Amino acid sequence: NAGVTQTPKFRILKIGQSMTLQCTQDMNHNYMYWYRQDPGMGLKLIYYSVGAGITDKGEVPNGYNVSRSTTEDFPLRLELAAPSQTSVYFCASTLNTGNTIYFGEGSWLTVV
Amino acid sequence: KNEVEQSPQNLTAQEGEFITINCSYSVGISALHWLQQHPGGGIVSLFMLSSGKKKHGRLIATINIQEKHSSLHITASHPRDSAVYICAVGETSGSRLTFGEGTQLTVNP
Repeated sequence: NAGVTQTPKFRILKIGQSMTLQCTQDMNHNYMYWYRQDPGMGLKLIYYSVGAGITDKGEVPNGYNVSRSTTEDFPLRLELAAPSQTSVYFCASTLNTGNTIYFGEGSWLTVV
Repeated sequence: KNEVEQSPQNLTAQEGEFITINCSYSVGISALHWLQQHPGGGIVSLFMLSSGKKKHGRLIATINIQEKHSSLHITASHPRDSAVYICAVGETSGSRLTFGEGTQLTVNP
């Protein structure tokens, strides 16, 4: 099993550019999450989804958008990138909150 | 006050020492997770608990549902245990996973 796959691993963006972080899981998990982790800090929830066609905001959704058209994919869109969005982004999935959580390897994003 | 509080924030130990990391939470949970994040950034699940105690090698995790408290113990610690250990809870009231800030563990040889 590939588990949770995130791309790209590293990206440098200029202020105002847009990009999409891709996340795919092959475990048929219902729940998928996007987190950001700033240096020395904990994980903050951006958006999550409990199934295809359903998404909801987390703690820090401003500046981001998501979609969940299939069970497997949960892309995170950054519109008009800002330096405050420089962070490490993690995608995670689980069957439900009482089951093991699986994380992608992380995407390092720098906005300059 | 955060819903999930970990202590200590930082911990330095000598190789061979017994280590305890604590996690307290304030919400009803379906499960509590202990995760490990290595310096390269990758996050792996160590334990998922809804009651009692689990053991895997030198790692032991316990949870007290009444007291809303969990502990992660590492016996005979080793420098390769150096990592950030994160507590996360799955809330019974929703679909979210709420994370603690993590405990940075450094084990010196």
